[in-house]
Amino acid sequence: QMQLVQSGPEVKKPGTSVKVSCKASGFTFTRSAVQWVRQARGQRLEWIGWIVVGYGNTNYAQKFQERVTITRDVSTNTVYMELSSLKSEDTAVYYCASSYCGGGSCSYFDPWGQGTLVTVSS
Amino acid sequence: SYVLTQPPSVSVAPGQTARITCGGNNIGSKGVHWSQQKPGQAPVLVVYDDSDRPSGIPERFSGSNSGNTATLTISRVEAGDEADYYCQVWDSSSDHGVFGGGTKLTVL
Repeated sequence: QMQLVQSGPEVKKPGTSVKVSCKASGFTFTRSAVQWVRQARGQRLEWIGWIVVGYGNTNYAQKFQERVTITRDVSTNTVYMELSSLKSEDTAVYYCASSYCGGGSCSYFDPWGQGTLVTVSS
Repeated sequence: SYVLTQPPSVSVAPGQTARITCGGNNIGSKGVHWSQQKPGQAPVLVVYDDSDRPSGIPERFSGSNSGNTATLTISRVEAGDEADYYCQVWDSSSDHGVFGGGTKLTVL
């Protein structure tokens, strides 16, 4: 069964960084891309960026370009999303999701991780 | 950047048909995917590539896409279908994922 398992909830202070992990099981991670999406309470889904796990290339939404880094560890089948210079507005549930990317396009997002709540508060 | 527009809410009685639209410029030229999200849960894919269903998703869920509008259709709506529904496409010009604003389906 294809599954993505994310790390636990985080509470961070403004100006610091958070690193969320996403571990795959039941499928070959290196043939996939991993997307990161966040959702503030009561708000819409917001796309953050992606990484092609096999090659390590990434692409980020312009809004997060200066603050986000997505990396991977193929030996442990794990992808990481680090967001720096945190603000209260970054308080949200962060999701990872698997997709396939190639030929200038990516496919649907499935499966999704269970989500990680990141709370930014002084 | 590419924009997807969904109605904020749709209401339907049990047993009736719900139609949720997703508007975008020439969206018919893109593959559209739909996810269902219930409160406190992660999204779940219910339709992909305009009209295909993942395994385990009931045949009551179907999709279409043409021109500037894609539509998710839920037939014989049940109370358990009450959720937020999001359309999603890939914008190849920016190489970014794009989500609609979401539609809350209420079963009366």
